[in-house]
Amino acid sequence: DSGVTQTPKHLITATGQRVTLRCSPRSGDLSVYWYQQSLDQGLQFLIQYYNGEERAKGNILERFSAQQFPDLHSELNLSSLELGDSALYFCASSAPDWTSTGELFFGEGSRLTVL
Amino acid sequence: GDSVTQMEGPVTLSEEAFLTINCTYTATGYPSLFWYVQYPGEGLQLLLKATKADDKGSNKGFEATYRKETTSFHLEKGSVQVSDSAVYFCARPIYNQGGKLIFGQGTELSVKP
Repeated sequence: DSGVTQTPKHLITATGQRVTLRCSPRSGDLSVYWYQQSLDQGLQFLIQYYNGEERAKGNILERFSAQQFPDLHSELNLSSLELGDSALYFCASSAPDWTSTGELFFGEGSRLTVL
Repeated sequence: GDSVTQMEGPVTLSEEAFLTINCTYTATGYPSLFWYVQYPGEGLQLLLKATKADDKGSNKGFEATYRKETTSFHLEKGSVQVSDSAVYFCARPIYNQGGKLIFGQGTELSVKP
């Protein structure tokens, strides 16, 4: 158990809909990262938050947005969903010294299926 | 730009076979390098790391040596087990703009009894 909690584990929805994925980081971790894992694109970095502020942005579509709340949990909002958005979405958290340890702690992921 | 490239899978081996999964990187300096493993139905977890050139990372019988001459960090194990069946990711950090890990495309390993 990594200590990172993601909900829901599975989600099935229709094209055009909007969903929210939730992540609770490990106790004490201030950074939260979102990654998208799909068969054709591999593991793609979406966005990072540190203590409530956006720190880095990757290949995140304009239809997607995220935020980190004062209690440090984070939400990833996906709107106007398309079939190609079907993927496994991972959240990870890290301690402030992660650049020396290299360790991100990953949740088990939220599997989104868009029909 | 900075990237990580790993050999494509899937790789299928018999138990006790020797494993090599190739990983190469591009970078302007000498970043730390990592191998992560994803077991079925789980998130990724750190397997091993090397923080400078010529370092060897090791864990659970797996090893990888940071070779700056060939910009490589190949993962090896002398005798794989069925329980090693998983997807393996090579990764390196990008430190600007807050910092993040970038991953190779992943190599799926299946070990047959």
